[in-house]
Amino acid sequence: QKEVEQNSGPLSVPEGAIASLNCTYSDRGSQSFFWYRQYSGKSPELIMFIYSNGDKEDGRFTAQLNKASQYVSLLIRDSQPSDSATYLCAVNSGGSNYKLTFGKGTLLTVNP
Amino acid sequence: NAGVTQTPKFQVLKTGQSMTLQCAQDMNHNSMYWYRQDPGMGLRLIYYSASEGTTDKGEVPNGYNVSRLNKREFSLRLESAAPSQTSVYFCASSPRRDEQYFGPGTRLTVT
Repeated sequence: QKEVEQNSGPLSVPEGAIASLNCTYSDRGSQSFFWYRQYSGKSPELIMFIYSNGDKEDGRFTAQLNKASQYVSLLIRDSQPSDSATYLCAVNSGGSNYKLTFGKGTLLTVNP
Repeated sequence: NAGVTQTPKFQVLKTGQSMTLQCAQDMNHNSMYWYRQDPGMGLRLIYYSASEGTTDKGEVPNGYNVSRLNKREFSLRLESAAPSQTSVYFCASSPRRDEQYFGPGTRLTVT
């Protein structure tokens, strides 16, 4: 059974701080990694994806991937109250697999 | 470009009633998916369609059927609703075997 694990939180950070969200996965053959943001009562929204080891930056967001440790993280710099949401990590094991395996999400609260 | 649309947004059913949830995408994506999301359980895949004309079971298919009507549309049917099917249902689509884009969801209550 392929698993994706996230700390459920809540993770609470002050406005302007760096929020660090972590995710581990069990399938060593996983090839594609995604971060979704879900506001309360809304649908998941894709914010980042990463395929290769290392860092990928997009504005205030940085995704980090370490395949050897089976670990992917999302850093949010200069956190804003509007970043308060649940963040879902998702993993695709590649090949002919059309499915994503989702973690249960981490609730982030950014305090003004 | 509306993306992924779902109807209805809300529905209340009595136990034993049937209904069909509709999903359409205008992004010319090949793959489409149906998920349910319950508190503490995360997103669970019900069925998916890798391409037009194919459907496959996901993690929790029991009590559901699907139809990939054409490339744009993928419907989910509950033949005899049960209270355990009370949930939020999301449809998603994907251009490849990678990132998925979600619709706004349907909130279903079965009494």
